[in-house]
Amino acid sequence: AQTVTQSQPEMSVQEAETVTLSCTYDTSESNYYLFWYKQPPSRQMILVIRQEAYKQQNATENRFSVNFQKAAKSFSLKISDSQLGDTAMYFCAFMTETSGSRLTFGEGTQLTVNP
Amino acid sequence: SAVISQKPSRDICQRGTSLTIQCQVDSQVTMMFWYRQQPGQSLTLIATANQGSEATYESGFVIDKFPISRPNLTFSTLTVSNMSPEDSSIYLCSVGFLRGEKLFFGSGTQLSVL
Repeated sequence: AQTVTQSQPEMSVQEAETVTLSCTYDTSESNYYLFWYKQPPSRQMILVIRQEAYKQQNATENRFSVNFQKAAKSFSLKISDSQLGDTAMYFCAFMTETSGSRLTFGEGTQLTVNP
Repeated sequence: SAVISQKPSRDICQRGTSLTIQCQVDSQVTMMFWYRQQPGQSLTLIATANQGSEATYESGFVIDKFPISRPNLTFSTLTVSNMSPEDSSIYLCSVGFLRGEKLFFGSGTQLSVL
């Protein structure tokens, strides 16, 4: 079975500071893709960042970066210079080569950025 | 990129009735999926909508309860049948172009069953 675990149900950070959200996953497949999505109160699912498992280099998108540790099956998201608009539910997710692009999601982490 | 129109955005329904949710995409897509998000929880895949053939359902979901249609590459419907309060959830349409690439999501349908 393929699973995704987010061990932090809630986190908070002060504006302009840095926060790291944790994610671990389990799969027996060697080729897969990892994602972080955010879901603000509007319900819209927004892609934050994507990582290909066969690439050793950690993905970055502006203030967002990941720490991908393949051997440990860990995929954490770092948000730098946090902004009030980053307040949202963050979901870690992955899909395998054989899954037909079906995404498996973690339980989510509610991030609150305080002014 | 894909722009997804999902309708209705929310609805309140009576127990025992059915609701059909529509998902319209502004371009032809390879893959279409339906997800359910129960209150305060994560997203769970209901099924893959296959163009011109029966949908592929995940464990715990059946066609009689969640019939799905996908007549072409830009449109799909999900029906929630014989509803009960346990069906109160957000239902999301999701589409993709290439395997391994990101999925795009509709804005969801907030369903409340009384």
